[in-house]
Parts: sequence; structure tokens; C-alpha cells
Amino acid sequence: AQSVAQPEDQVNVAEGNPLTVKCTYSVSGNPYLFWYVQYPNRGLQFLLKYITGDNLVKGSYGFEAEFNKSQTSFHLKKPSALVSDSALYFCAVRDGAGRRALTFGSGTRLQVQP
Amino acid sequence: SAVISQKPSRDICQRGTSLTIQCQVDSQVTMMFWYRQQPGQSLTLIATANQGSEATYESGFVIDKFPISRPNLTFSTLTVSNMSPEDSSIYLCSALGDSDYEQYFGPGTRLTVT
Repeated sequence: AQSVAQPEDQVNVAEGNPLTVKCTYSVSGNPYLFWYVQYPNRGLQFLLKYITGDNLVKGSYGFEAEFNKSQTSFHLKKPSALVSDSALYFCAVRDGAGRRALTFGSGTRLQVQP
Repeated sequence: SAVISQKPSRDICQRGTSLTIQCQVDSQVTMMFWYRQQPGQSLTLIATANQGSEATYESGFVIDKFPISRPNLTFSTLTVSNMSPEDSSIYLCSALGDSDYEQYFGPGTRLTVT
């Protein structure tokens, strides 16, 4: 079985400061890892993915994530937070060789203060 | 990328009734999924909608309660049957793109059962 843990329900950061949203995963095979963002009353928007290759993945809106196999982590980062980044962020995983449906973490609410 | 639309966007229904949610993708896709997001919760996979055959349901979800159709490669429906207040959730349709990596999501259907 595969699983995702997002240990923080909420992350607060001041505008202009760097942000990190944490994610750890468990999967039997090679992990395919994803970050999605959900704004109020909106669907999920894809941010970035890790499939293979460089451990540092760059995505939309200046976000990036670092894949760490030894720590089974895939933390989301941004060098300088914007108030407009305030939203709900979900980490998701699937087994690269297994079923294609995603398993989602519990979500982390990011609050960027002006 | 695939663009997914869902109808209705929201509905308020009485207990004991049924609601059918439609999902339309703007291109042919290999796989489609239905997820549920209960208030303040993460996304949970209901089932994989298989084209031309019965859907594959996750543990805790049954066909009698959530019948699914997928008559072609761009369209699927999810019916929530004999609704109770516990079915109040956002129901999201998802499709796997050509790359087999990126999963796209519809805007969701917000269902309230009274």
C-alpha cells in the first residue's frame, strides 16, 4: 500500500520569506510524486512532478520540490512567498509500476502574511 | 494538457434522492477517476472508470451506491444514490494525460445533502 504524510496542517510565513511545505511518502516501487494546489472553491491545479532524473524539480509559479530518496521526502519550496500563494497544498504519490490513481496527503494550508 | 468540465458545479439535494455528475474531457484519455473530498479533508479515490466495462471500486465504495459509466474515452458519469447527509462532499473527476504522468482534475461538484 502507498501512503503520503503531510505533517503540518498549516504553515504560516511572511511575504518575501522562503517557504517549505513538507511531504514524506511510502510506496513499494519507484515513486511518482506530485504537488497540487487548491484555491477556495476551485479544483486542483498541478504544480510539479518528480518521475525520474534530477532530484530538484521546478514547477509552476516559482515553486520547486526536492526529491530525497533516503529520507522518502518530497518537500515543496519557494524562495520568496507571495500573499497570493495562500492556498491548500496537497502532496500525492503513485507507484511508477503500479496502479495509476494517486494517493493524496492530508493537505497543508499555507498562509502568507503581508 | 487536458481540460475537464463537470456538471453540475454544485447542488443541494434531499436525502434519499440520487444525483448524476457528468465529467467531460476535451481530449481522449486513457484513464479516468472519481475522487471524493469531504469537508476539510483530503481526496479519496472512489473508483477508476473503465471504458466499456465496469468501474473498479476502492475499498469502502460499492457500485450500488456510486454507479459509474464511461461510454467513451472522453466522458464519464458518477451517480450518488440514495443520498444521506454523509454524502455531502466535493466530487472530483480526474483524467490521466497522454504522458501517463500528469493527472488533471475537473473543478469539482459540491454536493450538499439535507
